[in-house]
Amino acid sequence: DTEVTQTPKHLVMGMTNKKSLKCEQHMGHRAMYWYKQKAKKPPELMFVYSYEKLSINESVPSRFSPECPNSSLLNLHLHALQPEDSALYLCASSRGSTVLAGEGNEQFFGPGTRLTVL
Amino acid sequence: KNEVEQSPQNLTAQEGEFITINCSYSVGISALHWLQQHPGGGIVSLFMLSSGKKKHGRLIATINIQEKHSSLHITASHPRDSAVYICAVRSSGSRLTFGEGTQLTVNP
Repeated sequence: DTEVTQTPKHLVMGMTNKKSLKCEQHMGHRAMYWYKQKAKKPPELMFVYSYEKLSINESVPSRFSPECPNSSLLNLHLHALQPEDSALYLCASSRGSTVLAGEGNEQFFGPGTRLTVL
Repeated sequence: KNEVEQSPQNLTAQEGEFITINCSYSVGISALHWLQQHPGGGIVSLFMLSSGKKKHGRLIATINIQEKHSSLHITASHPRDSAVYICAVRSSGSRLTFGEGTQLTVNP
């Protein structure tokens, strides 16, 4: 299984709602990532989890709260979002997050969740 | 100046044409990725390479570490190749630095 799955595919929420995005992989990868992508822009890294511990937080506002309950699952909890948070949220995973020689650390991306905040 | 520069930004081709997309970077890297993103979102990893050349079907990726340059070639292009192609480099740890992407449209 070389797939990263994300649910839901689409999400529409109001600014007062609380919702969660989910990501799952069964490749035995120990690093998982959240990216945010606005239209016609490259992905922007938000968070990196390594061995279920948060290793990188790219100064993301606290209305985004990541959680890694186990090595296969990554959640992104959303609360009190703003309309400008509307974007495609991509999850990715890789074998590890430390430097591996050469090409050992390819990231596999999920299909994304299209989020619209009203 | 971005650390990763792609050219062209937009490319329109006729079906069957040979296509080249270029990527230049300004930092030392451990690996370079070529990614494909179709409308609707999902990103597919096409290649990851740190030296030389890789081929997969009609796609060929090359990298010149000394010149800090990589190219993605598509032979016998097809309308289904229409997508955004993104170059990304990994310089340390797991962090990827992305180029702005090249929008490819292949007309029948």
